[in-house]
Amino acid sequence: DAMVIQNPRYQVTQFGKPVTLSCSQTLNHNVMYWYQQKSSQAPKLLFHYYDKDFNNEADTPDNFQSRRPNTSFCFLDIRSPGLGDAAMYLCATSRRGVGEAFFGQGTRLTVV
Amino acid sequence: AQSVSQHNHHVILSEAASLELGCNYSYGGTVNLFWYVQYPGQHLQLLLKYFSGDPLVKGIKGFEAEFIKSKFSFNLRKPSVQWSDTAEYFCAVNVGNSGAGSYQLTFGKGTKLSVIP
Repeated sequence: DAMVIQNPRYQVTQFGKPVTLSCSQTLNHNVMYWYQQKSSQAPKLLFHYYDKDFNNEADTPDNFQSRRPNTSFCFLDIRSPGLGDAAMYLCATSRRGVGEAFFGQGTRLTVV
Repeated sequence: AQSVSQHNHHVILSEAASLELGCNYSYGGTVNLFWYVQYPGQHLQLLLKYFSGDPLVKGIKGFEAEFIKSKFSFNLRKPSVQWSDTAEYFCAVNVGNSGAGSYQLTFGKGTKLSVIP
């Protein structure tokens, strides 16, 4: 039944070591988003794809990149994780014309 | 840019008490409004949404919210909470007509609700 699936649920990485988080969806939605959520803060949009068009938020650090090889999959790459990048990363999808977003369970990233 | 504020960081209620969580947004144009809930260990789920029409919207599990345009508010209510309502609640906004090209959801910081049996 899972519609937006994030792997892994928990990821521990070393300071400066590249890490990739993955997201897949079975909803066939046009739009996929990556949000960062730190403790006691609101989820913050990092970027989104509308089909293959990539849209980066102005304040998203260059350290964060994304790939969307097809409709179903989207990846978040953190090139050189710092301690400040430890957070919950949420993937979401929506269908154009609806506005409602469907979320995955998130990946909690720890940087050591 | 739009912003969302939720007034309460943590609310503690006894079962059967009534609930109202405040949400205010700042944006002068057309908005779509959402309440999401996150149960412990689970993903964000949509409780209810407002796009247009009747400003009183009903969602799942007995929740409702009222859009008051003049107050830029979209408060969440439930007449009688249950222990199973213990969760974190997020108000969110996106701007523009539904699906008209604005895809960003702006979230409030969330309100943790603890319901005591």
